[in-house]
Amino acid sequence: NAGVTQTPKFQVLKTGQSMTLQCAQDMNHNSMYWYRQDPGMGLRLIYYSASEGTTDKGEVPNGYNVSRLNKREFSLRLESAAPSQTSVYFCASSELRGYEAFFGQGTRLTVV
Amino acid sequence: KNQVEQSPQSLIILEGKNCTLQCNYTVSPFSNLRWYKQDTGRGPVSLTIMTFSENTKSNGRYTATLDADTKQSSLHITASQLSDSASYICVVSAAPRTGGYNKLIFGAGTRLAVHP
Repeated sequence: NAGVTQTPKFQVLKTGQSMTLQCAQDMNHNSMYWYRQDPGMGLRLIYYSASEGTTDKGEVPNGYNVSRLNKREFSLRLESAAPSQTSVYFCASSELRGYEAFFGQGTRLTVV
Repeated sequence: KNQVEQSPQSLIILEGKNCTLQCNYTVSPFSNLRWYKQDTGRGPVSLTIMTFSENTKSNGRYTATLDADTKQSSLHITASQLSDSASYICVVSAAPRTGGYNKLIFGAGTRLAVHP
C-alpha cells in the first residue's frame, strides 16, 4: 500500500519550459489536491478535484492546469514555467473534501 | 479572513526535554483542527484531529489541546527524541457556510530541532 505517489521528486526547468507533475493514490479516495509549499508560508491550494470528473481552482491557480485522469490519478501541468513557480509541490488525497488529507513525498521544482 | 498563526517559528530543545507549540486561529465556521508532522523532505503526516467538543487528545508522547472559546490550540511533546525533529503544522478546517465542502487553512508551521 503505497499511499500517495508523486513523480518526479526533483526537477529543474528553464523559464518558459513546460512539464507535468504526476500523482497517483491507491486508497480509493474521492478527493485529490495539489498544494505548493514556500518558505515561511503555509501550504497553499492550487487546484483540487472533489471527485472523479471534477476539478476546481484553489487559492493560487494562475499558471497551472490540472487533469483528473481517473479516480487514482491527478496531474498538475505548468505550461510555461516561471521563476515564481519555484516551490515544493505536494499532492494529497482524502476520502472526501475536508477529511484527513494524506500527502505524497513532494516534488522540489526549481525554475531558472 | 480565515487565518492560522503558529508560534514559535522555530525551536531548539535538548533531547529528553518537553516543549509546547502554539496555534491561534481566526477561522469561522470552525469544523476541526489537526496537527501534522512534516519530516524534512517528506509530506505532512497527521498526528491528531480535534473537534469543537474535544479539549485534549493524546497520541503517544504528543498531546494536543483545544480551547474553542479563545481559538487556541497547543501541541505538547513530552520527553523529546531526536526523531521529533521536524516541522509541526496546525491545520484548521472551515465548514462551508452554504453547502459545499470544508476548506483547510494551513499554518506556516513550527520547525523543531531536538539536539542530543
